[in-house]
Amino acid sequence: SQTIHQWPATLVQPVGSPLSLECTVEGTSNPNLYWYRQAAGRGLQLLFYSVGIGQISSEVPQNLSASRPQDRQFILSSKKLLLSDSGFYLCAWTVGGSYGYTFGSGTRLTVV
Amino acid sequence: GENVEQHPSTLSVQEGDSAVIKCTYSDSASNYFPWYKQELGKRPQLIIDIRSNVGEKKDQRIAVTLNKTAKHFSLHITETQPEDSAVYFCAASKTGANSKLTFGKGITLSVRP
Repeated sequence: SQTIHQWPATLVQPVGSPLSLECTVEGTSNPNLYWYRQAAGRGLQLLFYSVGIGQISSEVPQNLSASRPQDRQFILSSKKLLLSDSGFYLCAWTVGGSYGYTFGSGTRLTVV
Repeated sequence: GENVEQHPSTLSVQEGDSAVIKCTYSDSASNYFPWYKQELGKRPQLIIDIRSNVGEKKDQRIAVTLNKTAKHFSLHITETQPEDSAVYFCAASKTGANSKLTFGKGITLSVRP
């Protein structure tokens, strides 16, 4: 069966520090992968999505970037975090675009 | 791009009553409409979805209806229970290799015991 792993679960980082969040999917090939951010008490904002290795589409201009070095690995990065980057980061996957997303367990990032 | 609006933002019902949550979408080409439930501090989980070739779908106490002409869809929960209390998100997308879900802002449902 397919599973999605996301880590770390929580992270407290100082302003200006770098960030790397990782997401991996097991049990499927060539998934569509997504990074969403959820600010406290708010909705889900799509940050990046990828339909294949090395293919990244950015939805919102910001100081974040994403990479997909392997078929089932999706990484969210920042060189210098801002206070406004705090939030709940969720990775999700689907296949073929015809099915609902399955979300990872999320990373709660607090920038201090 | 797609814009999904969800209303009301909060809803409180008595246990045993029914709850209806409504969403509207803007892109007439959207053809896939899932609903997600998010409990406090947890990930959103898919509870039901509907495709544009059907008007209604049921799964035990929950149902979703779709009106393509009016571009709105609704989640219906019958015989609500305290464990139904959560944030509910609707979403819309076009199917296809480059699909991406656009979510509403969510509604907080509270079921009073």
